[in-house]
Amino acid sequence: DTEVTQTPKHLVMGMTNKKSLKCEQHMGHRAMYWYKQKAKKPPELMFVYSYEKLSINESVPSRFSPECPNSSLLNLHLHALQPEDSALYLCASSQADRGYTEAFFGQGTRLTVV
Amino acid sequence: GENVEQHPSTLSVQEGDSAVIKCTYSDSASNYFPWYKQELGKGPQLIIDIRSNVGEKKDQRIAVTLNKTAKHFSLHITETQPEDSAVYFCAARPMNTGFQKLVFGTGTRLLVSP
Repeated sequence: DTEVTQTPKHLVMGMTNKKSLKCEQHMGHRAMYWYKQKAKKPPELMFVYSYEKLSINESVPSRFSPECPNSSLLNLHLHALQPEDSALYLCASSQADRGYTEAFFGQGTRLTVV
Repeated sequence: GENVEQHPSTLSVQEGDSAVIKCTYSDSASNYFPWYKQELGKGPQLIIDIRSNVGEKKDQRIAVTLNKTAKHFSLHITETQPEDSAVYFCAARPMNTGFQKLVFGTGTRLLVSP
């Protein structure tokens, strides 16, 4: 099973709402990532968790709050977003121990902020 | 930091032709170079990767070549099929940022016409 599952697939939220994106993998990977992808652009790294600890934050605004409750789950909590935050949010996972490691992506959550 | 350039931005070929996508990177310490295929509405899918100690790798109709001296790598698709139509991203992993962070190229939209 090389699947990374993201829910929901689509999300529309107002600027005052609070919502969460969820990501799950059962490959035993101990590194999990959030990427943001705008239309016709490459994915941009937001956060990396390694062994359930936040190891990289690419200077993401605090209205995005990641959480890794266990080794299989990754959440992204959203609050007071702006319309420019509308994008495809991708979760990925990989092994955390080897020097060369494949990253597997989920299908993404298409977020629209209105 | 690492910068990855990718060309061309769009590529149209006839079914059965070959397609070549080229990327250059700036950080000579980068040591891992994956290629991802992204179909409309889906997350990126790893199709092939190459490590810095290897010059070429093949997997059926797909091959990747790496020239460390020139700091460029290329994706070669032979006998293209309509289902190869997608956006292709190259990526590089800078060694100094650890194994987790991928820097993506800007993407190539490949269209294979029957």
